[in-house]
Amino acid sequence: GAVVSQHPSRVICKSGTSVKIECRSLDFQATTMFWYRQFPKQSLMLMATSNEGSKATYEQGVEKDKFLINHASLTLSTLTVTSAHPEDSSFYICSAMGHSNTEAFFGQGTRLTVV
Amino acid sequence: GQQVMQIPQYQHVQEGEDSTTYCNSSTTLSNIQWYKQRPGGHPVFLIQLVKSGEVKKQKRLTFQFGEAKKNSSLHITATQTTDVGTYFCAGNTDKLIFGTGTRLQVFP
Repeated sequence: GAVVSQHPSRVICKSGTSVKIECRSLDFQATTMFWYRQFPKQSLMLMATSNEGSKATYEQGVEKDKFLINHASLTLSTLTVTSAHPEDSSFYICSAMGHSNTEAFFGQGTRLTVV
Repeated sequence: GQQVMQIPQYQHVQEGEDSTTYCNSSTTLSNIQWYKQRPGGHPVFLIQLVKSGEVKKQKRLTFQFGEAKKNSSLHITATQTTDVGTYFCAGNTDKLIFGTGTRLQVFP
């Protein structure tokens, strides 16, 4: 299957700082990327959907000013957690879909810890 | 908004027994996908069902899409310890919404 690379895999940051997470499709063009958040032993909660070149569509309850998503190219989407707080600590995972809109390929995830 | 529920939330079976998880969407889906997530890992795509009433098999796994395209099931025959993990269905309309997941534990 196609490869999606997510970086970093783990990050620890101080409260009040910002963290950027990158999601790259390595061997296909990702027309749509999804960003999810997963709490321990829970399902993946969709945060936002981004299409290349347009603004992300955020799910209800997700603060767009706090979770900045940029999908500048067909191979790269970024999620920036701004002014991070301990409650933002979680597992963030991206997935990408190509033109065929079939399966979603997932990145390896980023475990964010805010101290 | 669109919701996708799965039951049961947890399933504990003895090795060799069968296991079934059910997935229900609040809205009609264009397709449904199934993923498996091992502890500490990321979701891995298993299969996609598109047609109403479709049934697909992967070795000991049987996937079914309901006639109304709002529900699906995953049946595992003769579970093995390698089947351990959380199985998610994901309903696809214009976005991929994951179900609540079924955490499968298999005892030897």
